[in-house]
Amino acid sequence: AQTVTQSQPEMSVQEAETVTLSCTYDTSESDYYLFWYKQPPSRQMILVIRQEAYKQQNATENRFSVNFQKAAKSFSLKISDSQLGDAAMYFCAYRLGAGETSGSRLTFGEGTQLTVNP
Amino acid sequence: ETGVTQTPRHLVMGMTNKKSLKCEQHLGHNAMYWYKQSAKKPLELMFVYNFKEQTENNSVPSRFSPECPNSSHLFLHLHTLQPEDSALYLCASSQVRDYGYTFGSGTRLTVV
Repeated sequence: AQTVTQSQPEMSVQEAETVTLSCTYDTSESDYYLFWYKQPPSRQMILVIRQEAYKQQNATENRFSVNFQKAAKSFSLKISDSQLGDAAMYFCAYRLGAGETSGSRLTFGEGTQLTVNP
Repeated sequence: ETGVTQTPRHLVMGMTNKKSLKCEQHLGHNAMYWYKQSAKKPLELMFVYNFKEQTENNSVPSRFSPECPNSSHLFLHLHTLQPEDSALYLCASSQVRDYGYTFGSGTRLTVV
């Protein structure tokens, strides 16, 4: 079974600084996707960034980027120029490749609560 | 508003009550999901529906009964719940073979 582990229950960062959230996962599959979701106090899960396992290039979305180490099964999220609105719970998630009929399930980590200090 | 609407937003119910949670999407998605989010625990997948057919039941107790009358609506019927069932229940939708999930804002359930 696939598992996702986030070893940092809480992190804090100063506004405008950079922070990195860690995530490791365990799978025997070669075709899969990895995600970072953000859950602010409004409770809505918002997709921040996604990475296809077959792509070597790390995904980037504006101030958010990932460090994808496939061999190490590591998928960290870097937030640059942190803003107050970045404060939220961040979840790392995994799913099998979209070609699998049973690959629709998302498996989540425990989450990291990010605080942004002004 | 993401396109996935959950009602009610908050629900308090006694252990002998029967209630239902509703999820609705008009994104043209054909897969819908129920997740349970408890404090200090990862999100737990409860049920998966693909093209209105239930394809996963993740060992969920029978006091939770899902219903998917069409690809746009998903219900979670609740009866004789326990206090430990208090949690945030999240609905999500996607295309069956697409990695993009869209989540609702959840129903905060408290069982007293």
